Formats: sequence, structure tokens, C-alpha cells
Amino acid sequence: KAGVTQTPRYLIKTRGQQVTLSCSPISGHRSVSWYQQTPGQGLQFLFEYFSETQRNKGNFPGRFSGRQFSNSRSEMNVSTLELGDSALYLCASSLVGQSSYNEQFFGPGTRLTVL
Amino acid sequence: KNEVEQSPQNLTAQEGEFITINCSYSVGISALHWLQQHPGGGIVSLFMLSSGKKKHGRLIATINIQEKHSSLHITASHPRDSAVYICAVRNRDDKIIFGKGTRLHILP
Repeated sequence: KAGVTQTPRYLIKTRGQQVTLSCSPISGHRSVSWYQQTPGQGLQFLFEYFSETQRNKGNFPGRFSGRQFSNSRSEMNVSTLELGDSALYLCASSLVGQSSYNEQFFGPGTRLTVL
Repeated sequence: KNEVEQSPQNLTAQEGEFITINCSYSVGISALHWLQQHPGGGIVSLFMLSSGKKKHGRLIATINIQEKHSSLHITASHPRDSAVYICAVRNRDDKIIFGKGTRLHILP
């Protein structure tokens, strides 16, 4: 079974631009979560989607948004990029949402650099 | 104070040593996760705990809900165990909070 895939793997943008990152979960998984990882803040939860609905959101500004499609693929968008948005963006999928007892499988991440 | 604290931050040990990494949290939780991150960024979920103890190969994870504490143990450590180990909890609002990680380096 194929793992979680994320595209692109690397991305360079300039301040003020916007970016869209994509995540394809493991086949059959309906829950997708997004995380940001920076050297200073470590891993931080962005949002979680289940069956096309955002079920939880972390403490990030409205510039960060996401969506999930009917095939469970998910995208996250960051508008008006700032230098501090440079980070590794990870997505993880799990079989079902609405439960604390599901193992998450992580993708390789998208490394975003904002110049 | 962070809601999830890990210790130590860095740990260097010789191959074969018994390793313990600790995680303390200050919030009510429904589950605790231990993750492993290798250089290059890939993250693997090692354990998910809500009570007691779990074992997988040379890895053992325990949790004490009353004391709000969890430990990850590695027996017969090997250089391939070198990685960052991250503790994460899912709080009562169903949000995930991560510790800062423990960087483990096993010397051959």
C-alpha cells in the first residue's frame, strides 16, 4: 500500500506570494492532519480534516487555510507569505477521524523557503 | 511553561546502552504519542498510549496518567536508533500538542 505523499517536496517563494501544498493520504484513510515544523517552535498542529470537514484547527492566523476533497486528498494554502512561514510542512493521515485512538502515518513533508 | 516537556533535550550514549526519554504534560489528555524523526524529516509514529505499557521490538513505552508522565525506553541501543524522539499529546479539545523533542545519538 502506498504511503502518504506530499507535493511538491521543496518550494521557494518570495514574501507576499501565496502557496498551495498537496497531500494524498493512504488509500482508505479519511482523516488528514497538517503540521508545521520550524527549528524555533518545533512541531505545531495546523488543522485536521475528516470527510471534507475541518474538525479542528490550531493557533495559526487566517492566512493559513486548507480543504479536503471527496477522495480525501487535502490541500493547504498560505497567503501573503512571510519569512517566518519558512518551515517543513507535514501531513499525516489516519483511518478515521473523531477518535483519539488512530495511528497517524506521516508524509515526507514539503520544505518551504520564503525569501 | 510548555504544556509538554521532554527530557533530556540531547542524549549521547554508547551502542548497547539502555535509553530512557521522559515526557511530562500538564493538561488533561485522551492519548499520548511517541514519534521518531530521522535526519531529512521523515516522521514515524512509534506508539499511541492512553494507559499502561506497550512494547514493540526493542522499544517500550509507558504512561502514568495520574502522574501525567510517560517514558520511552530503548533496550540494546544501536546507532540506527539515532534520531529525534518527540512526545505529543491529544488534549481534551482534541488538539495535538508536541514536545520539543529529544535528540538521541548512539555511538558505535
